[in-house]
Amino acid sequence: ETGVTQTPRHLVMGMTNKKSLKCEQHLGHNAMYWYKQSAKKPLELMFVYNFKEQTENNSVPSRFSPECPNSSHLFLHLHTLQPEDSALYLCASSQASGRGGASYNEQFFGPGTRLTVL
Amino acid sequence: AQSVAQPEDQVNVAEGNPLTVKCTYSVSGNPYLFWYVQYPNRGLQFLLKYITGDNLVKGSYGFEAEFNKSQTSFHLKKPSALVSDSALYFCAVSGDNFNKFYFGSGTKLNVKP
Repeated sequence: ETGVTQTPRHLVMGMTNKKSLKCEQHLGHNAMYWYKQSAKKPLELMFVYNFKEQTENNSVPSRFSPECPNSSHLFLHLHTLQPEDSALYLCASSQASGRGGASYNEQFFGPGTRLTVL
Repeated sequence: AQSVAQPEDQVNVAEGNPLTVKCTYSVSGNPYLFWYVQYPNRGLQFLLKYITGDNLVKGSYGFEAEFNKSQTSFHLKKPSALVSDSALYFCAVSGDNFNKFYFGSGTKLNVKP
């Protein structure tokens, strides 16, 4: 496979369930991202990992727990979610310009996981 | 702080006519600017970027964008719109640290036959 893949593509879960979203990139990138996209809302950055280290947590509730075991894989663990967490969750990767500073390299996005919380 | 603004929620254009999707930015240093397109139920796809050099940047699918430093703008353009260009378009700027990106709110482009 090429590019950025995400599984599952669709997920329906109850508020008491625990589930995980998986993202895998086959591009050799060293930065990975989780975004939340809700209807009629801007793209919300959730987490950033650079060289497997979390460098950004954008005030995300603790019911979302990221994990980056290596530079190719990124997980988002979900537990006790709320209906307002229903959204499209997008994973992205990029080649970091360095360990800090702005990046001039574009991001590559996966197709997303459509999450519905009942 | 870095930010981008897309002042139009929606742009309507007839097929064959030129299109413009607007973006303005605010950065503390040199701007690295990007345009992405999103089709329904899909992730974002990279279209083009401005890093340095020529103010007119050419990208995928016949799109181009003009960087204007004095107006802090980076508008997306296409000389002749296609119905298949109908999608959601996002402008983004690279942040000031750790490979962080800031996205605009998105502009829905509707191209009518």
